[in-house]
Order: sequence, then C-alpha cells, then structure tokens
Amino acid sequence: KAGVTQTPRYLIKTRGQQVTLSCSPISGHRSVSWYQQTPGQGLQFLFEYFSETQRNKGNFPGRFSGRQFSNSRSEMNVSTLELGDSALYLCASSLTGQEFREQFFGPGTRLTVL
Amino acid sequence: SQQGEEDPQALSIQEGENATMNCSYKTSINNLQWYRQNSGRGLVHLILIRSNEREKHSGRLRVTLDTSKKSSSLLITASRAADTASYFCATGASGGSYIPTFGRGTSLIVHP
Repeated sequence: KAGVTQTPRYLIKTRGQQVTLSCSPISGHRSVSWYQQTPGQGLQFLFEYFSETQRNKGNFPGRFSGRQFSNSRSEMNVSTLELGDSALYLCASSLTGQEFREQFFGPGTRLTVL
Repeated sequence: SQQGEEDPQALSIQEGENATMNCSYKTSINNLQWYRQNSGRGLVHLILIRSNEREKHSGRLRVTLDTSKKSSSLLITASRAADTASYFCATGASGGSYIPTFGRGTSLIVHP
C-alpha cells in the first residue's frame, strides 16, 4: 500500500497570504488528522476529518480550516498567514476515527512565512 | 498545554546500550502510543498500549504503563545508530474524546 502523501513538501509564503496544503491518506483510511509541529509548541492537533465531516478540532484560530473529499483526500487552508504559522504541517490517516488509534503520518509540508 | 511530557528531553548513548524514556500524562486515557520521528520527517508509529495493559513488547522495544502514576516508559534494548531520532508519547483521552495530545519528545542520539 502506498503511504500517506502530502503536497507540497516545501512552501514559502509571505505574511497575509493564504496557503492550501494537500494530503492523500492510505487507501481505505477514512480518518485524516492534521497537526502543526513547531520547536516551541511541539506537535499540536489541528483537526480531524472523517467521512467528509470535521469531527474534532484543536485549539487553533478560525484562520485554520480544512475539508475532506469523498475519496478521503483532505486539504488544509491557512488564511492571512502570520510569521508564527511557520511550521511543519503533518497529516496522518487511520482506519477509523472512533478513538485515537495508530496513525500513519505523511512526510509533512514545511511552511515558511516571511 | 501538552498532556504527555517525555523525560529526559535528550539522551545520548553508545551503540549497544539500552535507552529508557519516560512519559507522564495528566488525565485518564484509553491508550498510550509511542512514535518515532527522524529529523524533520513524519512520525512512525511504534507501539500502542491500552489502559488495561501493563507491559507490551515489540522486537527490541518494551513499553510499560502505570495508570496509577499516569506514566509510561519506553525501553529500547541494544540500541543502534539507526535508532537516533526523537521519540514521542501520545495519549487518547478516555470518555470517547478523540483529541490526541503529544509530548514534546525525547531526542535520542546513539553513537556508533
């Protein structure tokens, strides 16, 4: 089985711009979660999608949003970028989202905001 | 705030030695998982231990869980240079909540 893929791998944006990141989960996985990883805050949960519905959300401002398509692929959008949004954004998929179980992570998208 | 906190923050050992990392958490959990992350890449799932289990093994990995102390430990035996990575514990809260929390990780360096 192919693993979780994320595109793009690297991205440079300027403050005020918006960005869309993409994640393709492992075939058959219906739950997709997004995380932000920074040296200061560590790995923080953004949100989780299951069957095209956002089921769980972390403590991030409304500038962070996402969606999931019928084929389970997911996108994450950050609007009005701030310097502090520079981070590694990780996507993870799992078979179900009923409880926190083994997750398969993608390689991440490294976002730099200038 | 992070629920899981690993200790130590950094660990440096020689190849062949054992490495022990600890994780503490704050609330009741369904399960606890350990992940490994090589520099700047995605996390790899290592092992999941449920709240009703006390010990679990997988190859050179041994995980223990003490729910009374809200703590877990990960032991890597006979370490190899390829084990150099950051190790994270992650917890899923009990009561049906999905939201996972990860610790800040232990950075392990294994010198050949």
